[in-house]
Amino acid sequence: GENVEQHPSTLSVQEGDSAVIKCTYSDSASNYFPWYKQELGKRPQLIIDIRSNVGEKKDQRIAVTLNKTAKHFSLHITETQPEDSAVYFCAASIRDYKLSFGAGTTVTVRA
Amino acid sequence: DTAVSQTPKYLVTQMGNDKSIKCEQNLGHDTMYWYKQDSKKFLKIMFSYNNKELIINETVPNRFSPKSPDKAHLNLHINSLELGDSAVYFCASSQGLAGGTYEQYFGPGTRLTVT
Repeated sequence: GENVEQHPSTLSVQEGDSAVIKCTYSDSASNYFPWYKQELGKRPQLIIDIRSNVGEKKDQRIAVTLNKTAKHFSLHITETQPEDSAVYFCAASIRDYKLSFGAGTTVTVRA
Repeated sequence: DTAVSQTPKYLVTQMGNDKSIKCEQNLGHDTMYWYKQDSKKFLKIMFSYNNKELIINETVPNRFSPKSPDKAHLNLHINSLELGDSAVYFCASSQGLAGGTYEQYFGPGTRLTVT
């Protein structure tokens, strides 16, 4: 099955700096790559996603890049704010209805 | 107007007991899921139903049995609970069979503690 690795496991950044989280996947047939944010004690929520026919996607301060050849994708958060502190999960879908999640990255934004 | 709801929110029980968690979605979605999130925050798919039909059945002990009475509901029954079952269980739903390419909406989670 699909194996998704996510790094780093924890990330501490100064408010206003950028944060980058990287994921790799094992199966070249994967075609959908969402990112979920989970605040402490809350449910995971989709923040951005990208499909395999697109190399980059932006939504305000959040961007995701995909390198299909290298089988890796990344989440970029610019101008980080305290409310960006959360656990971020990448995921990959080898079939349309099954997501394999990475282990998560705990992001702490220092004021 | 809650999209995906779960009951109960907390469940504390003893080893060997049988318990159920209920999930309901009012989004009109066709696909529903159960995920387990362990103490290290790892999210793992357990089951998925599409229009009441089981489409994903991961390597889960057969003490766990999902049941979907209709496409808006997906329940999880756990027999003979063990300490290792302690986790947060999330229900989720998405539109259509192509759940992976549609946003999955998660419920608030059920924190199960087995003592």
